[in-house]
Amino acid sequence: DGGITQSPKYLFRKEGQNVTLSCEQNLNHDAMYWYRQDPGQGLRLIYYSQIVNDFQKGDIAEGYSVSREKKESFPLTVTSAQKNPTAFYLCASSMTSGSHETQYFGPGTRLLVL
Amino acid sequence: KQEVTQIPAALSVPEGENLVLNCSFTDSAIYNLQWFRQDPGKGLTSLLLIQSSQREQTSGRLNASLDKSSGRSTLYIAASQPGDSATYLCAVHSGGGADGLTFGKGTHLIIQP
Repeated sequence: DGGITQSPKYLFRKEGQNVTLSCEQNLNHDAMYWYRQDPGQGLRLIYYSQIVNDFQKGDIAEGYSVSREKKESFPLTVTSAQKNPTAFYLCASSMTSGSHETQYFGPGTRLLVL
Repeated sequence: KQEVTQIPAALSVPEGENLVLNCSFTDSAIYNLQWFRQDPGKGLTSLLLIQSSQREQTSGRLNASLDKSSGRSTLYIAASQPGDSATYLCAVHSGGGADGLTFGKGTHLIIQP
């Protein structure tokens, strides 16, 4: 089955700890995205990548980092600098970053702070 | 900066009714508009994508319209069913600096059996 997988489904972070959220796609898409969703809020863009080895900051990149070493993988690290990390994190991909493309979303990872 | 607003925030209707969800955006210079469905605790499912040059798109019982000049889109759901209960999100692709989508906060829809 083609699609986007995210793991884990739930993740717990201790104070001062860095954690990494996984996002993998087998759709052969060039572009990948990370969004954050808070209750009662719209999704907000954290980082996006148009192609392997390239990525750009979105609207709320502070306290997060990403890498894009492989086309199918776009992991997101939530660093200790992110003071309010509790949220639902969604990864998405599209064939290209072109304006006509549909974005496809993974099932999400819920991050909670202990 | 692009802002997307969805009205109403919540809606509850009896099964079988036709209904309309509204989406407005502040900057009419968009490339496309996309409607998504989100079930509780789940990811997003794309329903319809309307390019800026299009006026509407249809998929089954769903019809989405776009009036770019006035900054409005509507999602029409015909003959609603309990399985349509979900949160519906509107998002626009404006380009500019970030290449992602700008989302509204969604309309939480409940279809009563």
